[in-house]
Amino acid sequence: NAGVMQNPRHLVRRRGQEARLRCSPMKGHSHVYWYRQLPEEGLKFMVYLQKENIIDESGMPKERFSAEFPKEGPSILRIQQVVRGDSAAYFCASSPAGADTQYFGPGTRLTVL
Amino acid sequence: GENVEQHPSTLSVQEGDSAVIKCTYSDSASNYFPWYKQELGKGPQLIIDIRSNVGEKKDQRIAVTLNKTAKHFSLHITETQPEDSAVYFCAAKGAAGNKLTFGGGTRVLVKP
Repeated sequence: NAGVMQNPRHLVRRRGQEARLRCSPMKGHSHVYWYRQLPEEGLKFMVYLQKENIIDESGMPKERFSAEFPKEGPSILRIQQVVRGDSAAYFCASSPAGADTQYFGPGTRLTVL
Repeated sequence: GENVEQHPSTLSVQEGDSAVIKCTYSDSASNYFPWYKQELGKGPQLIIDIRSNVGEKKDQRIAVTLNKTAKHFSLHITETQPEDSAVYFCAAKGAAGNKLTFGGGTRVLVKP
């Protein structure tokens, strides 16, 4: 049973470009969460999605960041016009409906030059 | 919103000794408390969790205790081994919503 999958594992962008991060949840999991981890810090919640719905986006920056979890395909975290402060590790987690436990993927490490 | 504090930030122990990490949380309605282990370059891995209706839970060398009155919970690792070296994170989930609030992490080094 494959775990949570994220790609790419490493992403380099220049300031002003767009970054797209993908997350495929574990089989049977319908809930997806995105977290951001700055160097030497803990994880910070960004957004919680179910299929075709954003449930909680209280941790998302108001501008440039968006997320989706379409009916078919992976969840996407999109960052427009990246800045150096966006450099971080972005982790996706998934859980089955009605469960507390969240299982994390390996993360995407974004570097903005 | 929820705030989780974690101590210590670094912990060095001799192989075979015990390691204890402590966390406090602010939202008395929080009801789920997982612990994650993160190795360099990898994602967090769930190692144990506890719910608010339980005071203690054990899984082999790992145990977690919860004091709801004091709003703190602790991770205990006994008979530490070099492969226990990693960063450990505590987290809390509030009664409303599914998001986890994480502590700042504890870097554990087990010296052979």
